[in-house]
Amino acid sequence: DVKVTQSSRYLVKRTGEKVFLECVQDMDHENMFWYRQDPGLGLRLIYFSYDVKMKEKGDIPEGYSVSREKKERFSLILESASTNQTSMYLCASSDGVWNSPLHFGNGTRLTVT
Amino acid sequence: DAKTTQPPSMDCAEGRAANLPCNHSTISGNEYVYWYRQIHSQGPQYIIHGLKNNETNEMASLIITEDRKSSTLILPHATLRDTAVYYCIVRVALGGKLIFGQGTELSVKP
Repeated sequence: DVKVTQSSRYLVKRTGEKVFLECVQDMDHENMFWYRQDPGLGLRLIYFSYDVKMKEKGDIPEGYSVSREKKERFSLILESASTNQTSMYLCASSDGVWNSPLHFGNGTRLTVT
Repeated sequence: DAKTTQPPSMDCAEGRAANLPCNHSTISGNEYVYWYRQIHSQGPQYIIHGLKNNETNEMASLIITEDRKSSTLILPHATLRDTAVYYCIVRVALGGKLIFGQGTELSVKP
């Protein structure tokens, strides 16, 4: 089974802090994604990556950046956390065939105070 | 981007088939239909996907109408553990993005 592991289940940070959310997948997948999920807004795509060192903006990239230095790892960075970034963050991966399903981790619930 | 429409909630009796409908009238010819579900406090779980033929796996069946404007996910014998939010998604052909809608909250009752 595909395993997508997010480093923290719950995280509490202060406004202005730099925050790193880490995601690792064990299936040698080419594609990795970061979503956030908020009540009433559903899942929204922040960034995705098709290969090492490659990244593409999703629908809501403002306030975020990403890093993919190794194929199995995709990091989401909040350069200066704000309260409106309090959310559930979900990482996903899929193989290189464009219609392959995404497999999600269990999420990181981030609270910014 | 093709959009989907699902009922916000449905109930199903335990042991009965759960039939979850989805409309996707603006779907393009090369766009697949995906179904995911999300149990509270967990990440979305992939269930099944298809293009135009009906599909079946160990979890569910997917029935897509001939004009591809709608589909139905069938859980043949629903259990209490199938209580979740079910998302019907049409995948954007370029970029591989999944665009999630609001989903259907399925409650399986004893």
